[in-house]
Amino acid sequence: QKEVEQNSGPLSVPEGAIASLNCTYSDRVSQSFFWYRQYSGKSPELIMSIYSNGDKEDGRFTAQLNKASQYVSLLIRDSQPSDSATYLCASQGEKLTFGTGTRLTIIP
Amino acid sequence: EAQVTQNPRYLITVTGKKLTVTCSQNMNHEYMSWYRQDPGLGLRQIYYSMNVEVTDKGDVPEGYKVSRKEKRNFPLILESPSPNQTSLYFCASNLAGSTDTQYFGPGTRLTVL
Repeated sequence: QKEVEQNSGPLSVPEGAIASLNCTYSDRVSQSFFWYRQYSGKSPELIMSIYSNGDKEDGRFTAQLNKASQYVSLLIRDSQPSDSATYLCASQGEKLTFGTGTRLTIIP
Repeated sequence: EAQVTQNPRYLITVTGKKLTVTCSQNMNHEYMSWYRQDPGLGLRQIYYSMNVEVTDKGDVPEGYKVSRKEKRNFPLILESPSPNQTSLYFCASNLAGSTDTQYFGPGTRLTVL
C-alpha cells in the first residue's frame, strides 16, 4: 500500500510566524508532489506543486522536496488568520495519493 | 468560469434506495475522478476515467458505479447505498497527465440512514 503520511495536528502558529507542514511518502516512483489547502466544508484547492529536489517559492509559500528522504514540506511565511485550514499533501506515482491532512490554526 | 459542478450538494437517503450524484466540468478535461473523504482517512479515490468510455477502479470502488458517456459528465451511482457510504464526496477533473490543472467540485455530503 503506497502511503502519504502527515501529522494530523492541530498545529497552532502565531500570526506573522512561519508555519511548517511536513509529509513523507512511501512510493519511490512518485515524481510529482502537491500541497492542497482545504477550508472547513470546502473542496481542496491546489496551492503548490513541486517536481525536483530543492525549494520552490510562490509568494508566502515555499515547498521543499527531498526525494532521497522521501520528504516534502510546506512553509508558510508571515502566517495570516486566513491560512487557517487543513493542508493535504499528495504524491503522484501510478496514481495520486493523498495524506490525511494537517489542520493548521493561525492565532491572531 | 472554469468549474466542476456537483449535484446534489446535500443528500439524506435510506439504505437500498438507488441514487446518482452528477458531476460536470466545462474545461474539456480528459481525466475525471471521484473521491470520498472521511475523518482520519483522508481523500480516497473511488473511480476514475481517462476519457469517454474509459473508466477504472480506484482504491475503494466497492458499492459504486460510474459511467462516462460524454467528456464533460461523470456521474457516480450508488445502486444500493449502505450506511458505510455516508461520506463527503468530491468529483475532480484535470487535463490528462497534468495534475497541476486539477479542479475539485464543491462536494456532496451524503448521509445514508
